[in-house]
Amino acid sequence: GEDVEQSLFLSVREGDSSVINCTYTDSSSTYLYWYKQEPGAGLQLLTYIFSNMDMKQDQRLTVLLNKKDKHLSLRIADTQTGDSAIYFCAEIANNAGNMLTFGGGTRLMVKP
Amino acid sequence: KAGVTQTPRYLIKTRGQQVTLSCSPISGHRSVSWYQQTPGQGLQFLFEYFSETQRNKGNFPGRFSGRQFSNSRSEMNVSTLELGDSALYLCASSLDGGWGQTQYFGPGTRLLVL
Repeated sequence: GEDVEQSLFLSVREGDSSVINCTYTDSSSTYLYWYKQEPGAGLQLLTYIFSNMDMKQDQRLTVLLNKKDKHLSLRIADTQTGDSAIYFCAEIANNAGNMLTFGGGTRLMVKP
Repeated sequence: KAGVTQTPRYLIKTRGQQVTLSCSPISGHRSVSWYQQTPGQGLQFLFEYFSETQRNKGNFPGRFSGRQFSNSRSEMNVSTLELGDSALYLCASSLDGGWGQTQYFGPGTRLLVL
């Protein structure tokens, strides 16, 4: 079955890069997503990558995928205080319709 | 284009009661999925509706049910509420729920069961 894991917490200084990591177990073709959740809010889709890709860049965000190790990372360049939030990694396996399986979330704290 | 809306935003109920939550998808979206978010279990898939039919269901007891109307709006119902049902309930919409399609989430309904 699918299982998605993330570290619980990350603290960085404003202006530094943040790297949030995620591991997944499904070995079939899959879509992998990063969502952001601010306090009291729903989930905001940041970016996604399909499992036949190695990297995707979107402005300050870079997603790296290591298929061999089933490891996904989200790099945020020039991290700002407004980036403080919980970041969720999620996957949809090819036999799961559009059902998202989420990791537990990584709380990012950005210090001024 | 308006985003996904959920009503009410907050609810307080007591054990044994039932509750109905509503979700209006983005205009033109026909697939609506529901998720439960709790501190202990994280984000878990409840069910998905498309064309007024439940197409996919997560591992939740029968007390959790839902439906979808012809205008794609969806409701979920929880009967005989338990303390453990306290959670943030999120709905997400997509065009037709196809594999890998982007899902857009609403702000959620926060349910507190006393």
